[in-house]
Amino acid sequence: NAGVMQNPRHLVRRRGQEARLRCSPVKGHSHVYWYRQLPEEGLKFMVYLQKENIIDESGMPKERFSAEFPKEGPSILRIQQVVRGDSAAYFCASSPRTGATYEQYFGPGTRLTVT
Amino acid sequence: DQQVKQNSPSLSVQEGRISILNCDYTNSMFDYFLWYKKYPAEGPTFLISISSIKDKNEDGRFTVFLNKSAKHLSLHIVPSQPGDSAVYFCAASDMGTGKSTFGDGTTLTVKP
Repeated sequence: NAGVMQNPRHLVRRRGQEARLRCSPVKGHSHVYWYRQLPEEGLKFMVYLQKENIIDESGMPKERFSAEFPKEGPSILRIQQVVRGDSAAYFCASSPRTGATYEQYFGPGTRLTVT
Repeated sequence: DQQVKQNSPSLSVQEGRISILNCDYTNSMFDYFLWYKKYPAEGPTFLISISSIKDKNEDGRFTVFLNKSAKHLSLHIVPSQPGDSAVYFCAASDMGTGKSTFGDGTTLTVKP
């Protein structure tokens, strides 16, 4: 009964490279959320996806960031041309349905370091 | 404009005493509230929640109180244990949007 899986757990990229973060939700969950946690700050919502659809991307920077949740396979958060300010912990969460009546199950996070 | 605020970055209590963590929100559209607990290098884990139609929900040592008129909720932990030491996040949800807005967290330290 696996929970939310994220990989890699740690990722180091040089400025200008691309970062790809993967998230496999709890089996049966079709709703995925991505959050970013900067040092000494709380969790900031980035994007909410259902299978093959982006529902809400209001928290995601307009440039360099993209997310997908294909019909098959994990959800991917992609950061192009990374900068030092992208260094953070990125958490993925899943839930079995939309709305507030179900809690979100979080993965262990991917810690991105941009050098 | 921070819609969910946890004004105390840290709290220290003695083992066996009560821990009270507070959270304020501004958006009246929020109708479901959750508390998560986070240990270092791990993702948050769900602790307890409350719907806006209730003013109290209890689960073992954990109780969440909601004061809708004041837009305030609190998490009570009694008795506090050293293993409760963690960062606690308050989150507020709007069923219409399906996403949760988190506070910045309160670091609880329970001293033996």
